[in-house]
Amino acid sequence: DAGVIQSPRHEVTEMGQEVTLRCKPISGHDYLFWYRQTMMRGLELLIYFNNNVPIDDSGMPEDRFSAKMPNASFSTLKIQPSEPRDSAVYFCASSGGRYNEQFFGPGTRLTVL
Amino acid sequence: GEDVEQSLFLSVREGDSSVINCTYTDSSSTYLYWYKQEPGAGLQLLTYIFSNMDMKQDQRLTVLLNKKDKHLSLRIADTQTGDSAIYFCAELRFGNEKLTFGTGTRLTIIP
Repeated sequence: DAGVIQSPRHEVTEMGQEVTLRCKPISGHDYLFWYRQTMMRGLELLIYFNNNVPIDDSGMPEDRFSAKMPNASFSTLKIQPSEPRDSAVYFCASSGGRYNEQFFGPGTRLTVL
Repeated sequence: GEDVEQSLFLSVREGDSSVINCTYTDSSSTYLYWYKQEPGAGLQLLTYIFSNMDMKQDQRLTVLLNKKDKHLSLRIADTQTGDSAIYFCAELRFGNEKLTFGTGTRLTIIP
């Protein structure tokens, strides 16, 4: 298996633009997690899904953030409109193994100018 | 408290053992994990331990768990330059599906 796949790896955009981050979880995993990592706040859980259904979105910072999982092999995290303070590395992770371990993708480094 | 706590920094000489410590929050946590993050990369699962165990060894890695004190440690034997990274501990709380991560410990290897 290729592991968790994220795209793009790097995104540079201007304030006010819409940004869409993409994730393909490991096949067969039934949980998908979106995290954000910054120097100031560390690793934060934004939202997670179970069997494509959002379970807990309490970590989503504002209404500008939205996430979808239309099927078991694809999820998106959208920021509209983007702001400079959204600059961070965004990770997607999936789990479904016996020991609930999460497997992380390589991340998308987002820079909002 | 609510936070999983780790020291922010650790420096170790090449060839020595590294011991990274973590204090977690919930005595009913079922699994505890150690992740490694190299620069520019995602978090890589190193090892995990079930809460009814007190030790687990995997090659150069030894995990010790003290449930009474809610203390978890990761020992890396014969530390190499490739071990330079940030190490995160994480707990899976009973009845929960999400992990609670520590702040991470940045391990620096001194030649």
